[in-house]
Amino acid sequence: QKEVEQDPGPLSVPEGAIVSLNCTYSNSAFQYFMWYRQYSRKGPELLMYTYSSGNKEDGRFTAQVDKSSKYISLFIRDSQPSDSATYLCAMSETGANNLFFGTGTRLTVIP
Amino acid sequence: DADVTQTPRNRITKTGKRIMLECSQTKGHDRMYWYRQDPGLGLRLIYYSFDVKDINKGEISDGYSVSRQAQAKFSLSLESAIPNQTALYFCATRSMQGVGNTGELFFGEGSRLTVL
Repeated sequence: QKEVEQDPGPLSVPEGAIVSLNCTYSNSAFQYFMWYRQYSRKGPELLMYTYSSGNKEDGRFTAQVDKSSKYISLFIRDSQPSDSATYLCAMSETGANNLFFGTGTRLTVIP
Repeated sequence: DADVTQTPRNRITKTGKRIMLECSQTKGHDRMYWYRQDPGLGLRLIYYSFDVKDINKGEISDGYSVSRQAQAKFSLSLESAIPNQTALYFCATRSMQGVGNTGELFFGEGSRLTVL
């Protein structure tokens, strides 16, 4: 079983839609949860970061962590064509040397 | 200029050839990483280094070697390239210093390697 599972999509939505991206994980010791965004031909960039459980909001983006279910989500409100990218979840234990990444979900927002 | 620079950006080579991918950073971070990205497999860690004297194997180090020439430079070598090493390779840096630091990874733009 992989440490982190993520639906690869692809996901295609119309502009203005609400997008939900999700990951599940198996390691209950994970405490740091991140979402990276990767545009085509670019390296991933950190989009959202959450420690332990709860929600975090940043503009149109909301990250949620449910440690009891080992499930994390990223919501994008009022999606824009510029949101078209691959979204990767990542997580790690406290003090860990490495992040464990999901496979990424490719999102296309159609104007 | 990019904070994390990888060269070359694209490389096509033949089976058995030696290949070196280079990475340099201007962020002043102590930790540097090499990942490979494959469709359906995501990012997998090859090697990482906490400083010039510290090199550690990652999840998939077989067939690869690294050298940390300076705090700002970390190179990845394929001694004898094989076709299943065809992938997109990313260098990343990370700093765990500072109050509230997330330990965010900062990635280069990637080096696409094709082994024929």
